[in-house]
Amino acid sequence: GAVVSQHPSWVICKSGTSVKIECRSLDFQATTMFWYRQFPKQSLMLMATSNEGSKATYEQGVEKDKFLINHASLTLSTLTVTSAHPEDSSFYICSADPDFGEAFFGQGTRLTVV
Amino acid sequence: GESVGLHLPTLSVQEGDNSIINCAYSNSASDYFIWYKQESGKGPQFIIDIRSNMDKRQGQRVTVLLNKTVKHLSLQIAATQPGDSAVYFCAEVGTSYGKLTFGQGTILTVHP
Repeated sequence: GAVVSQHPSWVICKSGTSVKIECRSLDFQATTMFWYRQFPKQSLMLMATSNEGSKATYEQGVEKDKFLINHASLTLSTLTVTSAHPEDSSFYICSADPDFGEAFFGQGTRLTVV
Repeated sequence: GESVGLHLPTLSVQEGDNSIINCAYSNSASDYFIWYKQESGKGPQFIIDIRSNMDKRQGQRVTVLLNKTVKHLSLQIAATQPGDSAVYFCAEVGTSYGKLTFGQGTILTVHP
């Protein structure tokens, strides 16, 4: 199957700083990637759809200025959590669809804001 | 989504028992569903899928049942093993295979 890699796996940052999370498709090209957020013991919630070469599409209630998404190439999407606060602490997961009928997920990034 | 703010239900079974995990979905127009397994600190892993023109699909030790009338899915795991311990989510597939609406999820714990 296809491989999606996220980096970093975990990060701790100070409140007010920004954090960038990378999502790479290692063996396929992805014009579209998806970012999810998961709070402890809860389900995954779609935050946004990342579109290569164009603006991301955000789900209702997700602040686009808070969660900046850049999909500059067919194998890389980045999510930047700007001016992070403790309530942004969560597990962030990306997925990509290599167009053969299945989505593949990254291993996730655990963000802790202190 | 409908599960925001809710904590996951749990299911505890003994090794060797069969497990049944249930899921309700929201969109009656959804035509493709997937069950995922998520281990602690990892992303979801594909288990089995089913399209709305089917009501049952079997894989290796797993069976998915779909009841469109009541918008309900179930995942049956035969001869559950400790390695099956994880959180299980059903998901409705949207306009792309990567765009998913996840159900509430169930924490499965298998005791040796």
